[in-house]
Amino acid sequence: DVKVTQSSRYLVKRTGEKVFLECVQDMDHENMFWYRQDPGLGLRLIYFSYDVKMKEKGDIPEGYSVSREKKERFSLILESASTNQTSMYLCASSPDLGPETQYFGPGTRLLVL
Amino acid sequence: GEDVEQSLFLSVREGDSSVINCTYTDSSSTYLYWYKQEPGAGLQLLTYIFSNMDMKQDQRLTVLLNKKDKHLSLRIADTQTGDSAIYFCAENANAGNNRKLIWGLGTSLAVNP
Repeated sequence: DVKVTQSSRYLVKRTGEKVFLECVQDMDHENMFWYRQDPGLGLRLIYFSYDVKMKEKGDIPEGYSVSREKKERFSLILESASTNQTSMYLCASSPDLGPETQYFGPGTRLLVL
Repeated sequence: GEDVEQSLFLSVREGDSSVINCTYTDSSSTYLYWYKQEPGAGLQLLTYIFSNMDMKQDQRLTVLLNKKDKHLSLRIADTQTGDSAIYFCAENANAGNNRKLIWGLGTSLAVNP
């Protein structure tokens, strides 16, 4: 079974703090994704990566950066957290071959005060 | 541009069938997907269909694809209270080499006893 884990289920941070969200997958998938999910807005893609050290901007990259130093790990960084980054953050991974199905982690609910 | 649309809410009685509908715009999609999200959790793949198929059945789930009308539906037979969740439709975006999925906003299914 594919397993995608995220470092925290719940996180509370203060405005201006640097925040790291970690995601690890154990299926040797090439592709990894970070989304945020907000009521009424569905899933919005922040960044994705299709290989180690490669990254591509998604639809809403502003205020975020990412790091992929190892194939299994994809980190999302909020350089200076703001209250409008309070959200549910979802990580996913997918293989290159086959139906490109994305497998999701359980999510991290981030509250920025 | 690419777009996926779903109705936002559906309410059914326990034991009835549920039909969740989705329309998409990218005719070059090779796969279309249905995901389920239970409260506070990540997304879980329910099923996917290859674009050259009209129908796929998996136990209580039936997926119908009308490629001419770019319409996808998910039918859940004998709906149970445990089926209450948000259901997302998605298609793979074939533009470039990006492995992205294009997501609908999700349909919230309420199952009433």
